[in-house]
Amino acid sequence: DIQLTQSPSFLSASVGDRVTVTCRASQGIINYLAWYQQKPGKAPKLLIYAASTLQSGVPSRFSGSGSGTEFTLTISSLQPEDFATYYCQQLTGSLTFGGGTKVEI
Amino acid sequence: QVHLVESGGGMVQPGRSLRLSCEASGFTFSSYAMHWVRQAPGKGPEWVAVILYDGSNTYYADSVKGRFTISRDNSKNTVFLQMNSLRAEDTAVYYCARAEKIVAAPFDYWGQGTLVTVSS
Repeated sequence: DIQLTQSPSFLSASVGDRVTVTCRASQGIINYLAWYQQKPGKAPKLLIYAASTLQSGVPSRFSGSGSGTEFTLTISSLQPEDFATYYCQQLTGSLTFGGGTKVEI
Repeated sequence: QVHLVESGGGMVQPGRSLRLSCEASGFTFSSYAMHWVRQAPGKGPEWVAVILYDGSNTYYADSVKGRFTISRDNSKNTVFLQMNSLRAEDTAVYYCARAEKIVAAPFDYWGQGTLVTVSS
């Protein structure tokens, strides 16, 4: 199975900060990667798919990049509602998720 | 608008069975693959199973293969997860989610989840 490693696991930031989360795949997955945001007690919400395509309705401060084995999620200017946990997911075979990155104040 | 509503969770003893349901509305259910994803307390999501739009193909995570069965009734816009031989490690919130395809398609809508607790 393809493993996804996210870094960092925790990220302390302030409103207005530029935030970057990295997701590394154990083998190449082309661009078959999605990013989700999850708030406590809620289901994950799709932010980005195909590594860099913004899901409809998601603010443009979110962006994704990468291909092959290394991917990044960037929030250009962190807003109060962005404090949450972010997961990457590879969309081949076993559909595995990364371990998550909690963005907190 | 798209709605997915899970039901059927609860507390069950190890070795027993439980059947989860997920009722869909707001979209053409029979055109989408449907997934089950679970999330143990304090952990990240874990994909569990998927069923093709017409029910012709199903796939499972190794951790549940042989114990869980996914099925769907397109006439009732509902997907099911039959869980047998439950173990403590199956304790999690179970979500259903839709996708355009079995692979290479993100999960664009999720239900609110239903909690399954396996404990004696």
